[in-house]
Amino acid sequence: DADVTQTPRNRITKTGKRIMLECSQTKGHDRMYWYRQDPGLGLRLIYYSFDVKDINKGEISDGYSVSRQAQAKFSLSLESAIPNQTALYFCATSDGLSTEAFFGQGTRLTVV
Amino acid sequence: GQSLEQPSEVTAVEGAIVQINCTYQTSGFYGLSWYQQHDGGAPTFLSYNALDGLEETGRFSSFLSRSDSYGYLLLQELQMKDSASYFCAVRDRTGGSYIPTFGRGTSLIVHP
Repeated sequence: DADVTQTPRNRITKTGKRIMLECSQTKGHDRMYWYRQDPGLGLRLIYYSFDVKDINKGEISDGYSVSRQAQAKFSLSLESAIPNQTALYFCATSDGLSTEAFFGQGTRLTVV
Repeated sequence: GQSLEQPSEVTAVEGAIVQINCTYQTSGFYGLSWYQQHDGGAPTFLSYNALDGLEETGRFSSFLSRSDSYGYLLLQELQMKDSASYFCAVRDRTGGSYIPTFGRGTSLIVHP
């Protein structure tokens, strides 16, 4: 099993719908991140969390919200999806001052 | 804020050596990482430099010059499977914490 698991892997949704992307990890890391990837724009940080009670906005948090339900689970929600939120979304984890981030396999979201 | 610059695309032939450069601007710089991503899959960690100099890991090496805010990834004995996107990422002290911030990525195309 993967250390960082994202569900769903692919999703097509309609404009205006609420959608949740889920991430769970078995690495025991305290830090979790949500990134968005668009062609030519790299990985941009949406939200991050350093523990269950800690939630922080990243570079592009508008239109998104998150929930850290447990140390191992970090969910990303789009309250009212819009077409320009069509992208590849990655969850990642790291451990304290670790130099390495571990990524999930990604969720490809299409908003029509 | 942070900014990272890397070429959008690099091409090379199998067996050759290629260098992917990365320049960065950030406050509270802590270190520079490199990640590899195949065809929209999960980015995977390659290397990390906190101090000036060259770090070698098999066919891959990474270099850092803190005074020049510059680093590079060197790939030797290129193989077709090295065709992928490569991202540099800085770890910097944002708001008192260490957050990985990624560049836009360099697409490496290896020709036979």
